[in-house]
Amino acid sequence: DGGITQSPKYLFRKEGQNVTLSCEQNLNHDAMYWYRQDPGQGLRLIYYSQIVNDFQKGDIAEGYSVSREKKESFPLTVTSAQKNPTAFYLCASSIAPTGPYEQYFGPGTRLTVT
Amino acid sequence: QKEVEQDPGPLSVPEGAIVSLNCTYSNSAFQYFMWYRQYSRKGPELLMYTYSSGNKEDGRFTAQVDKSSKYISLFIRDSQPSDSATYLCAMTLLDPGGTSYGKLTFGQGTILTVHP
Repeated sequence: DGGITQSPKYLFRKEGQNVTLSCEQNLNHDAMYWYRQDPGQGLRLIYYSQIVNDFQKGDIAEGYSVSREKKESFPLTVTSAQKNPTAFYLCASSIAPTGPYEQYFGPGTRLTVT
Repeated sequence: QKEVEQDPGPLSVPEGAIVSLNCTYSNSAFQYFMWYRQYSRKGPELLMYTYSSGNKEDGRFTAQVDKSSKYISLFIRDSQPSDSATYLCAMTLLDPGGTSYGKLTFGQGTILTVHP
């Protein structure tokens, strides 16, 4: 069964703590993405990676960090520098930057920071 | 002004109605267009994609693109309660070589409810 898995589904943290969200895909896709979704808003791009060991900042990268050591995995760390970390986080992947360009999403992780 | 504008609704229709969902965009360099459906507390799932002006049909769904007006639409025929979800339009820029810059720009999403 091919797809994208994100864990955990719900995550609770205290303010000031770093937290890492997991994203794994077995679709053999080259490109992977992290988005943030807030109520009533569309998706905003945090980071993306088009190839292993390389990644680029998206529109709202401040307070986040990523790594891409394996093709299948693209973990996102929400650091204590992120001022408003409570949100729904979505990981996505696409076959390659050269197309097709459709992105496929995981089920999401809902992070609550208090 | 946002690059992609989408009426958030909410939109409520009776079962069997034809639904029209729309997005406008300001950047004429957008070349590839997608529609996603997102059920509550789930990840978005791809419904349709297209890169040319005109219509593309898939079952009860029709995607329409008018590049001259910078306007895209998704029509749902014979709507069902199971169609109740948030619908997101998305689009991407391509460089001259046809490579995506790796970014999808999303609309805000339209909340649709189809009641029996």
